[in-house]
Amino acid sequence: AQKVTQAQTEISVVEKEDVTLDCVYETRDTTYYLFWYKQPPSGELVFLIRRNSFDEQNEISGRYSWNFQKSTSSFNFTITASQVVDSAVYFCALIGVQGAQKLVFGQGTRLTINP
Amino acid sequence: ETGVTQTPRHLVMGMTNKKSLKCEQHLGHNAMYWYKQSAKKPLELMFVYNFKEQTENNSVPSRFSPECPNSSHLFLHLHTLQPEDSALYLCASSQDLGRGSTEAFFGQGTRLTVV
Repeated sequence: AQKVTQAQTEISVVEKEDVTLDCVYETRDTTYYLFWYKQPPSGELVFLIRRNSFDEQNEISGRYSWNFQKSTSSFNFTITASQVVDSAVYFCALIGVQGAQKLVFGQGTRLTINP
Repeated sequence: ETGVTQTPRHLVMGMTNKKSLKCEQHLGHNAMYWYKQSAKKPLELMFVYNFKEQTENNSVPSRFSPECPNSSHLFLHLHTLQPEDSALYLCASSQDLGRGSTEAFFGQGTRLTVV
């Protein structure tokens, strides 16, 4: 079975603070992909990043960075110098290649950046 | 603009009504999906279509009836719904069927309220 856990239901920080969103996953597949999506108030899920299970390199894109730790089955997302526009619900997701091949989402973390 | 367009954006319907949700993508993708997003629940995969053929029905009640006339269009026909069916219904598309090698693109969703 595949499962994604985002233990933080809601996070609220003041603008310019750094914030880390946690994601822990479970899968029996040896090959899988992990994703982060952002859902602003408008509703659509905006793709942020995809990472395959063989690539443990951390990635940085502007103020966003991702830390993939296969040993702890975690794929955490950090926003540096947060801005009000970063306020949204963030979803971590997983799909296994060998198994059911369903994109499984975590419950999401609602991030509020206060001015 | 995500490339996936859903109409209508909002829908209020009575329990005896029949309505349809529409999803359209012009990304040249082969796979399309319906997800349900209820308050405080993870996104639930409802249906998957690949090259117009349904490949997944995730134990969805028969009052939800999908239709995929071509790879660019996906419908969700609704009839005799219950108040607990009120949710955000999201359509997504991807190049491949669930292999994770490409990301899924999401529409903005239809906010459905059943009264």
